[in-house]
Amino acid sequence: NAGVTQTPKFQVLKTGQSMTLQCAQDMNHNSMYWYRQDPGMGLRLIYYSASEGTTDKGEVPNGYNVSRLNKREFSLRLESAAPSQTSVYFCASRSEIGQGIYGYTFGSGTRLTVV
Amino acid sequence: AQKITQTQPGMFVQEKEAVTLDCTYDTSDQSYGLFWYKQPSSGEMIFLIYQGSYDEQNATEGRYSLNFQKARKSANLVISASQLGDSAMYFCAMREFPGGSYIPTFGRGTSLIVHP
Repeated sequence: NAGVTQTPKFQVLKTGQSMTLQCAQDMNHNSMYWYRQDPGMGLRLIYYSASEGTTDKGEVPNGYNVSRLNKREFSLRLESAAPSQTSVYFCASRSEIGQGIYGYTFGSGTRLTVV
Repeated sequence: AQKITQTQPGMFVQEKEAVTLDCTYDTSDQSYGLFWYKQPSSGEMIFLIYQGSYDEQNATEGRYSLNFQKARKSANLVISASQLGDSAMYFCAMREFPGGSYIPTFGRGTSLIVHP
């Protein structure tokens, strides 16, 4: 999706390894979000950032850390990956989706497998 | 309790027919927004339609319409004249504004399969 770039698209980790999922938006948005998607569970909020330098926990923050060092980038870090963190991860930013209407633009997702 | 409930894990519809995907929500806020997103098998999240809590008319976008019943707290998506390309997961979402931050909450989704 235009405007929100996630990397990598795919990743396989061994249990205990660490990694950082990168997300960048070029639309000058304040609010950014990290979700995980699991079958039958929909999208669950991990962390969000209302503005540069601020972050808050969402519904399922355990095992994750985030960093919002500037307005453009919002990264998600797994310090010690566990098989339960196998999921598809989406980054999103709050964006204008119509005239005066604000919704959410998503990145293309990262499919993470922890073995 | 779930804030967004989608009771239909899977739906089937014949091509060219209309289909309704159910969504109920739970909020005590007066101001909120409701969204529907489509996720095809390729995985991207595609915005379909938006309804604000103060909008008196149901939102429409081409073949998509949102049947907004505020008193019942329901925001059903109606797809008219289904096409094969409508086969996908559909997510209902609600945006609230707790403590000054916009937080979107998603339902568990409905898988729609359109038969030729």
